[in-house]
Amino acid sequence: DVKVTQSSRYLVKRTGEKVFLECVQDMDHENMFWYRQDPGLGLRLIYFSYDVKMKEKGDIPEGYSVSREKKERFSLILESASTNQTSMYLCASSPYRGRETEAFFGQGTRLTVV
Amino acid sequence: AQKVTQAQTEISVVEKEDVTLDCVYETRDTTYYLFWYKQPPSGELVFLIRRNSFDEQNEISGRYSWNFQKSTSSFNFTITASQVVDSAVYFCALSEWDNDMRFGAGTRLTVKP
Repeated sequence: DVKVTQSSRYLVKRTGEKVFLECVQDMDHENMFWYRQDPGLGLRLIYFSYDVKMKEKGDIPEGYSVSREKKERFSLILESASTNQTSMYLCASSPYRGRETEAFFGQGTRLTVV
Repeated sequence: AQKVTQAQTEISVVEKEDVTLDCVYETRDTTYYLFWYKQPPSGELVFLIRRNSFDEQNEISGRYSWNFQKSTSSFNFTITASQVVDSAVYFCALSEWDNDMRFGAGTRLTVKP
């Protein structure tokens, strides 16, 4: 079975902290994605990566960075967490570059910044 | 500009009713893909169906069916004889480019016993 695992289901962090959200996939997929999900806004793409050490900005990259040092791991970094980054974060992967490929999602990390 | 519009924020039905979830998309491309995903209370999105822009055939899978109409830029999803287990948030998504999947805001479906 395809598996995308996010390191935490729930996180509570303080304003100004540096926050790392980790995601691991075991399917040897080329592409990995980070989305945030907010009520009424659906899923919005933060960053994606189509190869190790490669990254592309999505629609809302401000305040975030990413790291992909190994194919199976894609990290989302909040450089200085703010309360408006309180959200559900979803990691996904897909096998290869191509608009036809469906994404496989992790279970999500609900981050609260206080 | 919103690429995918799911105008229905929440729908509530009673078990065994049929329900249709609407999805309208916007694109200038001739080649694109549309998707539906289900997000149950556990949180993990589950892929349901993919349709490419050249295939307007409707699809049926058990109690689920999808109606793709390019003329109205719509890709609607119907659940027949709904069940409590169908309660979830459903997302429609559009992929125009490699690695570029854009989601709608989602429709929360509640099926009451």
